[in-house]
Amino acid sequence: NAGVTQTPKFQVLKTGQSMTLQCAQDMNHEYMSWYRQDPGMGLRLIHYSVGAGITDQGEVPNGYNVSRSTTEDFPLRLLSAAPSQTSVYFCASSYENTGNTEAFFGQGTRLTVV
Amino acid sequence: RKEVEQDPGPFNVPEGATVAFNCTYSNSASQSFFWYRQDCRKEPKLLMSVYSSGNEDGRFTAQLNRASQYISLLIRDSKLSDSATYLCVLNTDKLIFGTGTRLQVFP
Repeated sequence: NAGVTQTPKFQVLKTGQSMTLQCAQDMNHEYMSWYRQDPGMGLRLIHYSVGAGITDQGEVPNGYNVSRSTTEDFPLRLLSAAPSQTSVYFCASSYENTGNTEAFFGQGTRLTVV
Repeated sequence: RKEVEQDPGPFNVPEGATVAFNCTYSNSASQSFFWYRQDCRKEPKLLMSVYSSGNEDGRFTAQLNRASQYISLLIRDSKLSDSATYLCVLNTDKLIFGTGTRLQVFP
């Protein structure tokens, strides 16, 4: 059981480049989300999805797009990378987004924008 | 005011010590509460849920005080392997994470 798989693990981008961070889960979870983690800031929610075809913005959505065409996949797109997007990105999934539901995280993507 | 506030630490304690972390939250509509553990350069993982009546899992005890809007985590008989960052998390309709409290257990 792979759980939540994120790729790539590391990435260096130049300012202005675009890229997609991949996230896939094999637990048939409806709820998926993307966070970024910066020193002293904790995990901040970028975008989330409560099911295939449904996405919504979190706390820090600017500069990022998402889509959810299948239950399994939830890619995060950086449209035009900026140094402020240097961070560690985590994808998470859970059975639902209410109650005492455990969130499972991918191993993270360490992104550096130069 | 941040929705979830934690003392960042670090808390440096010897093996065998008892250590406690508190976390305060501002959203009284929060439905459920958790402690997650995050090892250095790793992803967060659920440590335990927090129930109003208090709950215990081995050396770990979690408590919730809705009236004062705080949750706590008590670790007894600390082990070297307990060294990590402990994240306070609450669930409204989304998970809201605290910045974490770093614990370092030394021999």
